[in-house]
Parts: sequence; C-alpha cells; structure tokens
Amino acid sequence: NAGVTQTPKFRILKIGQSMTLQCAQDMNHNYMYWYRQDPGMGLKLIYYSVGAGITDKGEVPNGYNVSRSTTEYFPLRLELAAPSQTSVYFCASSDRGSPNTIYFGEGSWLTVV
Amino acid sequence: EDKVVQSPLSLVVHEGDTVTLNCSYEVTNFRSLLWYKQEKKAPTFLFMLTSSGIEKKSGRLSSILDKKELSSILNITATQTGDSAIYLCAVGLIQGAQKLVFGQGTRLTINP
Repeated sequence: NAGVTQTPKFRILKIGQSMTLQCAQDMNHNYMYWYRQDPGMGLKLIYYSVGAGITDKGEVPNGYNVSRSTTEYFPLRLELAAPSQTSVYFCASSDRGSPNTIYFGEGSWLTVV
Repeated sequence: EDKVVQSPLSLVVHEGDTVTLNCSYEVTNFRSLLWYKQEKKAPTFLFMLTSSGIEKKSGRLSSILDKKELSSILNITATQTGDSAIYLCAVGLIQGAQKLVFGQGTRLTINP
C-alpha cells in the first residue's frame, strides 16, 4: 500500500518559472491537503479538497493553484515562482470517516533561486 | 486568527532525562489536538486528544489535554537518542475537512 506519493522529491526553480507538484493517494480518501513547512516552523495549510471537483483555500494560498479532477490526484501548481516559495511541501489525505487521521506524503523540497 | 504556540522551541537534554513539551492554543471551533513526531521527513502521528483530563499513553510517551487552560503537554520519560526529533502540536478544527493548525514545533535533542 503506497499511501500518499509525492513527486518530485527535490527541485530547484528559477524565479518566474512555473511547476506542478504531483500528489496521489491510493486509499480512496475524500480529503486531501497541501501544506508547506518553512525552516524551523510548523506546517501551514495552502489548499485543501473535500472531494473531486471541490477545492478551497487554506491559510497561505497566494501564488498557488490546485485542481482535483479525481479522488486520487491533487496536484499543486506554482505560477511565477518566487524565493518566498522556497519551502518543503507536504501533501496529505484523510478519510471522511476518520478525519483526524491524516496521512502525509514524504515531502517535496523546493528551492527558488 | 487561530493560533497554536509551542514551548520551548528547542530543548537539549541527556539520555535518560524526562522532558515535558507544552502546547497552548487559541482557536475557534476546537475539535481535537494532535501530536506528531517529525524526523527527517513527514510528520508521524503520535496522539489525538479530544477530552480533557484523559491521559493517552504509548510506551514512554504520554499526553494530556486541558481544555480549561487551552493547553496540552507531551511527556517523554527515560529519553533515548532515537527520541531526537521535532515534535509538532496541531489543533483540528470543526470543519467539513480536518483542517489542522500547527504550532512551530519543539526541536528536541537527546545527547548520549
């Protein structure tokens, strides 16, 4: 059982470039999330989704976009990358029946130079 | 604005010591408080607390929630070097999804 899978694990972007962080879960979870974690800080919610076709903003959505066309996939798009987006990104999922049990992916380390 | 604050931010102790990590919160629509351990990669789940005064225990780790004081503690007894990690406290809000508000984390270092 793969759980939550994120790609890529590491990426260096130049200022102004765009990229998509991929996230897939194979647990048929309704809820999916994207968090970012800056050095020495806790995680902050970027976007979340309660089901296919439904997304909503979290605490820090500016500079990002998401889509949820299927239950399994929840990609995060960075448009016009900025140094402030240098961070570690975690995708996560949980089931509607057990919303407190959140499963995290391994993280994607992104550096914008 | 919902807020979760952890203290201390950093703690260095010797193997065998007992440590207490603190978490306080100010949120609307509290549902649960969760503790995670984060080593090099993703946070791993330790405890979820929803009721005040009921201790949750797992081996040398234990945690308790005080809803009156809006706080929780995580205790680790007889610490080992493998306990070295960042410990994250998060509060779950009553929403359609389980949105978590995280504290900054406590970086715990256990020296042999």
